[in-house]
Amino acid sequence: GNSVTQMEGPVTLSEEAFLTINCTYTATGYPSLFWYVQYPGEGLQLLLKATKADDKGSNKGFEATYRKETTSFHLEKGSVQVSDSAVYFCALSDGSGGSNYKLTFGKGTLLTVNP
Amino acid sequence: EAQVTQNPRYLITVTGKKLTVTCSQNMNHEYMSWYRQDPGLGLRQIYYSMNVEVTDKGDVPEGYKVSRKEKRNFPLILESPSPNQTSLYFCASSLSFRERGEQYFGPGTRLTVT
Repeated sequence: GNSVTQMEGPVTLSEEAFLTINCTYTATGYPSLFWYVQYPGEGLQLLLKATKADDKGSNKGFEATYRKETTSFHLEKGSVQVSDSAVYFCALSDGSGGSNYKLTFGKGTLLTVNP
Repeated sequence: EAQVTQNPRYLITVTGKKLTVTCSQNMNHEYMSWYRQDPGLGLRQIYYSMNVEVTDKGDVPEGYKVSRKEKRNFPLILESPSPNQTSLYFCASSLSFRERGEQYFGPGTRLTVT
């Protein structure tokens, strides 16, 4: 079945540091890939997406590139801010359809950015 | 404002006392889903619905029921709650199952079963 593996957290950085959160996946077919963010006390929000190999999703300074050869979708940001402190979830939806009508999430990575 | 609402936001109850968590969306979305979030386990899907009167089990459906009588509403029912159902619950929706990767989430319901 489909699965998503994220790097274990928590991740603690200083403001303006470079961020990478690793995400790898296993899927049948041709999945679409997503990053969601959950700020404290809130529901998840879609951060960015990529629907095919070599696509780069980007939003709010965050980027992730869909790498089919390494089955990865790592999240990066060049200079984090305190306001980026949140839990980040990698997710995939299997484009092959069939009976797989769900979104598969990783376990989440807690990011804390200190001033 | 486009949103998914859940009620109640917080609930403390006792073992065996039936409860319902409501979920409503105002975006005319076809696809709706319930998740539970637990420390170390991430987000797990309980049930989902492709459209009115069409529901199916997710990864952890035991102990839960759902119904989808109207497009906008997707209540989660715990007929006999147990302490292992203490969790943070999220309802979510998307335009259709094809866009299930782009879900809008509610604010969450924190349930404690004693």
